[in-house]
This record gives sequence, C-alpha cells and structure tokens, in this order.
Amino acid sequence: KAGVTQTPRYLIKTRGQQVTLSCSPISGHRSVSWYQQTPGQGLQFLFEYFSETQRNKGNFPGRFSGRQFSNSRSEMNVSTLELGDSALYLCASSLRTLGDGYTFGSGTRLTVV
Amino acid sequence: QQPVQSPQAVILREGEDAVINCSSSKALYSVHWYRQKHGEAPVFLMILLKGGEQKGHDKISASFNEKKQQSSLYLTASQLSYSGTYFCGTDRSGNTGKLIFGQGTTLQVKP
Repeated sequence: KAGVTQTPRYLIKTRGQQVTLSCSPISGHRSVSWYQQTPGQGLQFLFEYFSETQRNKGNFPGRFSGRQFSNSRSEMNVSTLELGDSALYLCASSLRTLGDGYTFGSGTRLTVV
Repeated sequence: QQPVQSPQAVILREGEDAVINCSSSKALYSVHWYRQKHGEAPVFLMILLKGGEQKGHDKISASFNEKKQQSSLYLTASQLSYSGTYFCGTDRSGNTGKLIFGQGTTLQVKP
C-alpha cells in the first residue's frame, strides 16, 4: 500500500512569506499529526487532525495553522515566515486506536532565508 | 514535558548489546519507539501500553514500567542496520493523537 506522501520535499522561502505544506495519509487513516524537527529542539508536536477537526495542538504560535479535508489529506500553513521556522516538517498518519503506531512521511525541508 | 532519553549517543561493534532509556516526569499511558536513519522518515518499532508489559520482535525488545514512568529499548546482537537515531514518544492520556518525543539517542554500529 502507498505510504504517507508529503509535498513538496524541499522549499526555500523568504522571511515574511507564507507557505503551505501538504500531507496525504495512508488510505484508511483518518488521523494526521504534524511535527517540526530541528537539530536543537528535536521532534516537536504541532497539531493533530482527525475527521476534519483539530483534536490536539502543541505550543506553537498562531502563525502555524492547519486543516484537514474530507479525504483525510491535510495541509499545514505557516504565515509570516521567520528564520527560525527553518526545519524538517513531518506528518504522520494513524488509525488513532490504542496499539497502533504512526507512519511518517519523508517530510518537507523548509529553508527560510 | 519532554521525556528524557539516555544515553544521548552510543557506539557499538556488531554483535554487542545496547539499552536505551526513556524517562518521564509525568504518568504515562503508552510509549512508542521509533528509529530514524539519516535523511529518512522515522519508522515505528513498537508500542507499549499502560499495564506494564514487555514486547519484542527479532532482536529488539522493550519494557514499560508505568510506576517508574520509564521505558527501555533493548537491542541485542546489534547489526549494522540498527544504526540510526532512536526516539521514544510518550502519550500521557490515552489520547492517541499526540505524542511528545524525547530528544533522541544516536546509535552507531561499527563492523
């Protein structure tokens, strides 16, 4: 079966711009979680969507937002980009049942210049 | 609160064993373990649920002591393919949509 697909793989943006990242989960998975990965902070939880509703949110500013569509695909948006937003953004999908792990996508590498 | 992993890094020779620990200051409902190779996505290894259990497959196993709020990952007779960064992810409420990850343990297996 197809894995979790994230697009684009790489992105270079300028400070102040906004960016939208996309994540297509494994077929049948209705939960999509987003994580920011940096060398200094590790994997930090951004938010989780399930059945088109945000169910969990991490400690990130309001510039970070997301949404989920009826086909479970999810998008993440970052507005007014800052240099510190440079990171690998990973999404993970799951069945959201106890005992199930997450399947991660390969990520989008965002560089803010 | 982020769980604490130890050690931060370990270097092994093929065939040696390693233990990676994950400790939380808060009560845990479950602990996930993932391995990430350089430039790749994290890959799910196993999950341990509240109730205190031990799991394993092949030569990788893990335990979860909910009273001590800690989990350990055991790698026995390590292979070159075990190299990578290992992360524990903790779930405090049984809310399966949010994991808080430790900072990672880098494991390097040399021939």
